[in-house]
Amino acid sequence: NAGVTQTPKFRILKIGQSMTLQCAQDMNHNYMYWYRQDPGMGLKLIYYSVGAGITDKGEVPNGYNVSRSTTEDFPLRLELAAPSQTSVYFCASSYPTGGQPQHFGDGTRLSIL
Amino acid sequence: GESVGLHLPTLSVQEGDNSIINCAYSNSASDYFIWYKQESGKGPQFIIDIRSNMDKRQGQRVTVLLNKTVKHLSLQIAATQPGDSAVYFCAEFQGAQKLVFGQGTRLTINP
Repeated sequence: NAGVTQTPKFRILKIGQSMTLQCAQDMNHNYMYWYRQDPGMGLKLIYYSVGAGITDKGEVPNGYNVSRSTTEDFPLRLELAAPSQTSVYFCASSYPTGGQPQHFGDGTRLSIL
Repeated sequence: GESVGLHLPTLSVQEGDNSIINCAYSNSASDYFIWYKQESGKGPQFIIDIRSNMDKRQGQRVTVLLNKTVKHLSLQIAATQPGDSAVYFCAEFQGAQKLVFGQGTRLTINP
């Protein structure tokens, strides 16, 4: 059982470039999330989705976009990369309703130079 | 603002000893808490959770204690092993989709 799969694992971007971070889950979870983790810190929520076609902003959404066309996939888009977006990005998924543990992928380490 | 915090950023214990990692939360309305373990280069891994209608919950070698009076959460790891070395995060549900993470405690196991 693969769980939550994120690609790529590492990426270096130049300022102003764009890219899409991919996330897929095979647990048939309705809820999916994107977090960023800066060095020595906890995770901060960027965007989340409660189902296909439905997305909403989290705590730090500026500079990012998301879409959810299927239950399995939840890509995160950076349109104009900035150095402040250098971070490790984690995707997670969970069953519907609050109070369910979120299951995480192993992250994408992104550096903006 | 509401936040989840940790008392100690690092903790070193001897192999075989018990470890206790503490966490304070400030939102008295929160009703669900999770402990995650994060190893280097990996995503957070679910360890154990507890709901506010419980004071204690046990898993395999781990126990979570919840003290709602002082808004305090702790994770106890019995007979700590080298594989327990990691950063441990407590996380608090503030609403159905908002999971707020603390800064984390790094647990180091001494042989």
